Amino acid sequence: EPEVTQTPSHQVTQMGQEVILRCVPISNHLYFYWYRQILGQKVEFLVSFYNNEISEKSEIFDDQFSVERPDGSNFTLKIRSTKLEDSAMYFCASSEVLPAYNEQFFGPGTRLTVL
Amino acid sequence: QKEVEQNSGPLSVPEGAIASLNCTYSDRGSQSFFWYRQYSGKSPELIMSIYSNGDKEDGRFTAQLNKASQYVSLLIRDSQPSDSATYLCAGEAGTALIFGKGTTLSVSS
Repeated sequence: EPEVTQTPSHQVTQMGQEVILRCVPISNHLYFYWYRQILGQKVEFLVSFYNNEISEKSEIFDDQFSVERPDGSNFTLKIRSTKLEDSAMYFCASSEVLPAYNEQFFGPGTRLTVL
Repeated sequence: QKEVEQNSGPLSVPEGAIASLNCTYSDRGSQSFFWYRQYSGKSPELIMSIYSNGDKEDGRFTAQLNKASQYVSLLIRDSQPSDSATYLCAGEAGTALIFGKGTTLSVSS
C-alpha cells in the first residue's frame, strides 16, 4: 500500500542552524501538507501546498519557514534559523484531491530536537 | 478561532466492550471530519472519515456526525487491547485539518 515517507526520522541541531526536513508524498496525490506536534500537545497545521505554491499557512509558519517541491517526488520543509521552541515532531501529509472531501495520510514524522 | 474539543481521558473500557469517543467543533463551515489513531511516539493513522450527517460504519468502527449540534463521535465495538491509543478528532478548515488534543483510550484484557 502506498505511503508517505519522511527523512530523517530524527534530527538534532544547534539553535540558529538551518534544517531541511524531507518528505515523499504518495505518488498520485496532489496536495501536500506539513504539521507539527510539540510533545504532549495537539497536532498543529503549518502549511498546505498545491500546484507548486502555498495554498494556506498558519500563524506558526512565519518567515523562518519555507517549503519547496524541488523535483517530482520530494517535498521539503526548511527552517532557516532554528529556535528551541521548534523542537517537535514534524509530520508530512498528502491527499489526492481537495481537502474538503478527502483524506490526508500522514508520514511517520521527523523528530526535531533543537539544542 | 477554529477549535476542536475532546475529553482527554483516559477512557478505560474492558476488552469486548464498546468505547465511545466524542468531539465538538466550533467552525460551522467545516464539511468533513476525520478520526485518527495515534500510538505513542507514532504518527496519526486515519481510521474514519465522515462528510454528512448520520452514521458511517466500517468494521468495528462507527462514526456519527451531527452538524446542527457540531458534534462528532466514534464508537469502537468489541474493543481490543490493541485499540489502546490516543484518538484524534479533526475537522476540515479550508485546506487545513484542525485537530483536537485527543482522547486516550485504554482497553484492559
